[in-house]
Amino acid sequence: SQQGEEDPQALSIQEGENATMNCSYKTSINNLQWYRQNSGRGLVHLILIRSNEREKHSGRLRVTLDTSKKSSSLLITASRAADTASYFCATYDNYGQNFVFGPGTRLSVLP
Amino acid sequence: DVKVTQSSRYLVKRTGEKVFLECVQDMDHENMFWYRQDPGLGLRLIYFSYDVKMKEKGDIPEGYSVSREKKERFSLILESASTNQTSMYLCASSTAYGYTFGSGTRLTVV
Repeated sequence: SQQGEEDPQALSIQEGENATMNCSYKTSINNLQWYRQNSGRGLVHLILIRSNEREKHSGRLRVTLDTSKKSSSLLITASRAADTASYFCATYDNYGQNFVFGPGTRLSVLP
Repeated sequence: DVKVTQSSRYLVKRTGEKVFLECVQDMDHENMFWYRQDPGLGLRLIYFSYDVKMKEKGDIPEGYSVSREKKERFSLILESASTNQTSMYLCASSTAYGYTFGSGTRLTVV
């Protein structure tokens, strides 16, 4: 089965800096989504980008999608301590109804 | 506010016990899922359902079963709990535009 793979696995930055996480996948997709998970909690949907879109913004989040490279990136600008969480990408393929999640990037924002 | 509710946040069970994890959604979604999450392994799909009384195996169904008697409720059953089933269990419902997850149940089997 296809899988989104996030990179890096872990990232530590100072408050105010930007954080960039990447996701690669293997097959053609309908859309790609990013989720956040705070420690010990469920996942929260952040943003969806469709296969015919190249960039999308939501507040301090910017997501890009390059279908030719089968990759996406999530940029969090002006990070805050409250952004400390794990971030997952999930791909929704053209053949089924399931999402496939990668192992996640653990982001630590230090005050 | 729409939500997915999992009945327990923390659960401790003994080896060999039959365990029920309950999940209820109020969004009238047809698709519901059970995942387990373990460090370094990400989310792994156990079972899913696209309709009432319908179920399909995910990537790691061994040792689990499910029940979907009503559209809003999707139950995960551990027939005989084992220590390797100690994990965080996440229920979700979805449309093509995204998942809504419950808060998770952290199950410890001793």
